[in-house]
Amino acid sequence: DAGITQSPRHKVTETGTPVTLRCHQTENHRYMYWYRQDPGHGLRLIHYSYGVKDTDKGEVSDGYSVSRSKTEDFLLTLESATSSQTSVYFCAISGQGAMNTEAFFGQGTRLTVV
Amino acid sequence: TQLLEQSPQFLSIQEGENLTVYCNSSSVFSSLQWYRQEPGEGPVLLVTVVTGGEVKKLKRLTFQFGDARKDSSLHITAAQPGDTGLYLCAVPGAGSYQLTFGKGTKLSVIP
Repeated sequence: DAGITQSPRHKVTETGTPVTLRCHQTENHRYMYWYRQDPGHGLRLIHYSYGVKDTDKGEVSDGYSVSRSKTEDFLLTLESATSSQTSVYFCAISGQGAMNTEAFFGQGTRLTVV
Repeated sequence: TQLLEQSPQFLSIQEGENLTVYCNSSSVFSSLQWYRQEPGEGPVLLVTVVTGGEVKKLKRLTFQFGDARKDSSLHITAAQPGDTGLYLCAVPGAGSYQLTFGKGTKLSVIP
């Protein structure tokens, strides 16, 4: 299994508070991604990174920011959490080998905004 | 409009039955991936298909990429309770390493 660790695994926070989710990889993969998964919507890309300090927006980036200061760490920040951001968040990595779009996922972070 | 349409959305079958799930689009893709996600876990890659008409087998699972590279199917023979999960198809975006996922087929195999 690819070495991807998400923290925390579960979090409950109040509306309006900032929240940071962490993704750590030990695989030295170039690309890192943050997805959210919601019933009826499937997996949707929030932001992704194609290198240290290189990031770009995905399909549902409003209300989220990311940072990647090291190859191994990709942080997702909700500046001011809202109830609509209650979701399961997955980090993924890719970029090694011939099929470099093949993604390996973390175990997810279940975030509840109350 | 969803880029990838997966059907059926839900499927509940008895152990030992065969089933096929589909991933369809009007777009042509360079490759297509299938993932399985178990409850409480992240998706796990099962297979990547690249060539139109390609068939790949993974034990009791058979994956086929359409001749025109617009669609794919996953056939499971003699389903077992361990096959229970959410099956997702995904395709890479043009010129990037982003993946776009279908909404998935939720499969329940009843012992």
